[in-house]
Amino acid sequence: QVQLQESGPGPVKPSETLSLTCTVSGGSLSYSYWNWIRQPPGQGLEWIGYIINRGSTKYNPSLKSRVTISDDTSKNHFSLRLSSVTAADTAVYYCARSHGGSHFDYWGQGTLVIVSS
Amino acid sequence: EIVLTQSPDFQSVTPKEKVTITCRASQSIGDHLHWYQQKPDQSPKVLIKYASQSISGVPSRFSGSGSGTEFTLTIDSLEAEDAATYYCHQSSGLPRTFGQGTKVEIK
Repeated sequence: QVQLQESGPGPVKPSETLSLTCTVSGGSLSYSYWNWIRQPPGQGLEWIGYIINRGSTKYNPSLKSRVTISDDTSKNHFSLRLSSVTAADTAVYYCARSHGGSHFDYWGQGTLVIVSS
Repeated sequence: EIVLTQSPDFQSVTPKEKVTITCRASQSIGDHLHWYQQKPDQSPKVLIKYASQSISGVPSRFSGSGSGTEFTLTIDSLEAEDAATYYCHQSSGLPRTFGQGTKVEIK
């Protein structure tokens, strides 16, 4: 059974960089697509990007200039960095696996990141 | 970007009633359409993959149909535990996109 767990340092100030890590257990990063998805409070879901196959990445063009997704296969985790954050980046951030790049079959529990001074 | 538009945005339904949610894509996506259920303070959970394929462990009252640009999620005989927001999602193109969600309330 694949399990994902997000972790991060907590609140972020405007203009700073948001950093989150997703630790994967029960599965290998060497296979599948590993995604970040976010959901502002009371709103819908937005795909941020994914990483596959030794670091190949794709990002949502709406965030592309500010996003970096990386992985560490030795620790079986992948990470999100979002730079120059504003209040609009306040959201629950989920990591999720997409099987063969299709549906998201395993999700983390989500972590709320608040951008505030 | 492929835009997914769900209808309705909100539905108030009596238990045992049938629920139908539609998802329309701005361009043809074949069967690369998936449905999720999200309950308050929980992560989304996949209900249907590839438009109509069932997911192990998901009750059989959930079914999907459609292809191309129009898709439907059906809940036969709604139960109280089905109160949630439902989202469609396409994996045909990048960026991956979701519908805006349909909130189902139990009367």
